[in-house]
Amino acid sequence: RKEVEQDPGPFNVPEGATVAFNCTYSNSASQSFFWYRQDCRKEPKLLMSVYSSGNEDGRFTAQLNRASQYISLLIRDSKLSDSATYLCVVNGKSGGYQKVTFGIGTKLQVIP
Amino acid sequence: NAGVMQNPRHLVRRRGQEARLRCSPMKGHSHVYWYRQLPEEGLKFMVYLQKENIIDESGMPKERFSAEFPKEGPSILRIQQVVRGDSAAYFCASSPVSSNQPQHFGDGTRLSIL
Repeated sequence: RKEVEQDPGPFNVPEGATVAFNCTYSNSASQSFFWYRQDCRKEPKLLMSVYSSGNEDGRFTAQLNRASQYISLLIRDSKLSDSATYLCVVNGKSGGYQKVTFGIGTKLQVIP
Repeated sequence: NAGVMQNPRHLVRRRGQEARLRCSPMKGHSHVYWYRQLPEEGLKFMVYLQKENIIDESGMPKERFSAEFPKEGPSILRIQQVVRGDSAAYFCASSPVSSNQPQHFGDGTRLSIL
C-alpha cells in the first residue's frame, strides 16, 4: 500500500460546481497534513494546512479523519482558475526523523 | 523577503556532462528537500538534508547523483555523466527547524539533456 494515495483523476467539472478530493495515508503516526496546488510546469504552492477540527478558507474546506486516515479537500463554486493538480501532503515520524510524503496529485479541470 | 531560490532556471547539458543545481532555502529554514518531476508525472522525492547532514536519501538513484548542504552556501544537487532520462524539472523545497511546518518550493530547474 502506498504511503499516501490519491485518485489522479482527471476530474472534469463545470464552472460553479462543487468538487471533493480525498487522500488516504497509511502511517497512523502522521502528525501534520497539507494541500498544495500545482499548475502546469510550475512549482507546488501551499494551498492550506489541514487541522483536526477542519478548516475553511473562502471556497476551500479541508477535513481530517484520523480514525479512517484520510483527508479531504472540498472546493465550492469552482472557477476556471481552480484548474490545477492538487497534492495531498502528509508529515510523520519514520525511522527517527520527520518524513514528508506527497501524493501523486489529483488533476482538476474546470470547464466553462 | 526572498523565498526558496533555485538556479539556474533552465540548464542544458550534453550526454556525459555534469549538471549542478543549486538551492538556497528561505531565511531561517534549515531543512532542504529535492524532488524530481518528469513531464505529466507526480513529484518524486529524492533527498532530505539538514546542514552538513543527509537525513534521507532513499529516493536518490544509487549512481551518478549526489547532494550536499554545506555549512555555508546553497544546497547542491549534482548529476554526473547525465543521460537523456535525467531530463526533468528538479524542485527544491525548504522548511523550518520543525518539519511539521509546510515546505516552501523554489521555481525549479528545468534540466534538458541533448
